[in-house]
Amino acid sequence: KQEVTQIPAALSVPEGENLVLNCSFTDSAIYNLQWFRQDPGKGLTSLLLIQSSQREQTSGRLNASLDKSSGRSTLYIAASQPGDSATYLCAVSSGGSYIPTFGRGTSLIVHP
Amino acid sequence: NAGVTQTPKFRILKIGQSMTLQCTQDMNHNYMYWYRQDPGMGLKLIYYSVGAGITDKGEVPNGYNVSRSTTEDFPLRLELAAPSQTSVYFCASSYSLAGAKNEQFFGPGTRLTVL
Repeated sequence: KQEVTQIPAALSVPEGENLVLNCSFTDSAIYNLQWFRQDPGKGLTSLLLIQSSQREQTSGRLNASLDKSSGRSTLYIAASQPGDSATYLCAVSSGGSYIPTFGRGTSLIVHP
Repeated sequence: NAGVTQTPKFRILKIGQSMTLQCTQDMNHNYMYWYRQDPGMGLKLIYYSVGAGITDKGEVPNGYNVSRSTTEDFPLRLELAAPSQTSVYFCASSYSLAGAKNEQFFGPGTRLTVL
């Protein structure tokens, strides 16, 4: 059974810092990995989706990398802003059903 | 496109009552999902559907039922509500299960409290 872990559970940084959020998974036979953002009391918004054949995806200040052999993905946020404050979740699709398994998320606070 | 819409946004139920959470998507997606999110616990899959008339259980299906009579709608039924069903419920959809079109789109959620 796929298990997805996100460390740290919470992170507080000053504005302007470059930061890295981590996602690890136990079964490296994945189909894809998706990063989401969740604002308090809201639904999930898709940020990036990486196929198993890809090494990274970029969108604006966000860059997500994938290393299947080590069972890890990182979400890099450049020049963080207070508006980046949210919970970030990763979800891994694997196994016969393709259904994503979610991590518990990293709660990020960027303070001015 | 409105994307994925859910109603109601909030609901309080008494133990033993029943209700239906509504979910509609206008993206012509084949696949639809129901998740529940408990504080600090991530999302757990309740049921999913791969098309009209086809549904399957997820990780935590007990106490819930679903139906999929159309591509657009995927209602979740709670029978005999229990305090353990207090949670935030999210509906999601995707075009396919695999590849780039597996990207999931989520609704805004329904916050349910059972007292």
